[in-house]
Amino acid sequence: GQQLNQSPQSMFIQEGEDVSMNCTSSSIFNTWLWYKQDPGEGPVLLIALYKAGELTSNGRLTAQFGITRKDSFLNISASIPSDVGIYFCAGTFGNEKLTFGTGTRLTIIP
Amino acid sequence: NAGVMQNPRHLVRRRGQEARLRCSPMKGHSHVYWYRQLPEEGLKFMVYLQKENIIDESGMPKERFSAEFPKEGPSILRIQQVVRGDSAAYFCASSPGGGEKLFFGSGTQLSVL
Repeated sequence: GQQLNQSPQSMFIQEGEDVSMNCTSSSIFNTWLWYKQDPGEGPVLLIALYKAGELTSNGRLTAQFGITRKDSFLNISASIPSDVGIYFCAGTFGNEKLTFGTGTRLTIIP
Repeated sequence: NAGVMQNPRHLVRRRGQEARLRCSPMKGHSHVYWYRQLPEEGLKFMVYLQKENIIDESGMPKERFSAEFPKEGPSILRIQQVVRGDSAAYFCASSPGGGEKLFFGSGTQLSVL
């Protein structure tokens, strides 16, 4: 089956720093999504990408759909305390189920 | 403009009992997905349903687990004769169509004693 690998697994940064994480797939997708999950809550959709090469922003967040359709990255600029959480990439091909990545845990060091 | 509603938020069951988890999708959404999450892990797909039909149940164990999404009422994920290994967070998501972005509920945390 499809596998999504996210890196890094965890990040420890200081407030104000920029963050970059990525996701790679063993097969191509035609939709990439990025979600954030807070403890005890469900994932919340951050950004959706539908075309290879597409670059989309949502406030301080920017995500890109890789040209090969097998990868995507998410950048967060000028991190703030509420950015803490687990970030998941997810992909789908056609009308199939959404496959989730392994997650990147973001921690902000005071 | 309610989002995806799941209940209960927490469910405690003893081994051998049945667990019933409910999910009401967002208004206008006819596609429902169930995912399971163990601590410190990602979300694992279980089943995808569209009103009254199971579209993909490839992630759901063949024994003890079943799901339905009736014409009227919420989607139900049912786990019979629960075992300790069933303890996890179960998330429901909905979308207006297949292959579109999913909106998640807050989950049901199932604990089996």
